[in-house]
Amino acid sequence: EVQLVESGGGLVQPGGSLRLSCAASGFIFSDHYMDWVRQAPGKGLEWVGRIRNKANSYTTEYAASVKGRFTISRDDSKKSVYLQMNSLKIEDTAVYYCTRSMGDWGQGTLVTVSS
Amino acid sequence: DIQVTQSPSSLSASVGDRVTITCRASQGIRNDLTWYQQKPGKAPKRLIYAAFSLQSGVPSRFSGSTSGTEFTLTISSLQPEDFATYYCLQHNSYPLTFGGGTKVDIK
Repeated sequence: EVQLVESGGGLVQPGGSLRLSCAASGFIFSDHYMDWVRQAPGKGLEWVGRIRNKANSYTTEYAASVKGRFTISRDDSKKSVYLQMNSLKIEDTAVYYCTRSMGDWGQGTLVTVSS
Repeated sequence: DIQVTQSPSSLSASVGDRVTITCRASQGIRNDLTWYQQKPGKAPKRLIYAAFSLQSGVPSRFSGSTSGTEFTLTISSLQPEDFATYYCLQHNSYPLTFGGGTKVDIK
């Protein structure tokens, strides 16, 4: 059974940083692209970014709204993917989900950016 | 960027009704479209991938179809557990983009 468990969410001030983690199990992690998606309170879904697998050189893609501020990385030995979020803005407040190639999803972790 | 326009944004229906939700892409995306169901406080669940392929374990009352840049999710006979919000996603090109969502509630 595929499991994705996010952690690292919490309250952070505007301009601050936070690192989210997503621990994967139940599949061959190193084979798959991994994505982050977010959902602001009461709003729709927004794709944040993707990291490809080793075969595709771990290259990344980002939404324009986060490019230059957020960085996705992965550690295949730990079956984990990370979202480093810098220069956080109030509008980054959302539940952040990690997904396996937009198929399987974790339960999400809430990030609140507020002073 | 490819825009995905989803309609309607909400609808009211009764158990047993046939429900259709549409997503229109701003340009051709082949069949690179996925449908999700999301219930309050839960993560989205994939229902349909590649426009019309049913995800394993999803009831056959859900189906997807396409005509050009228009994609349709059909629920043939709405069940109580189907009241939820539905989203489409295009993954033909970056950035990946979602439709705005359709909330299906009880009439």
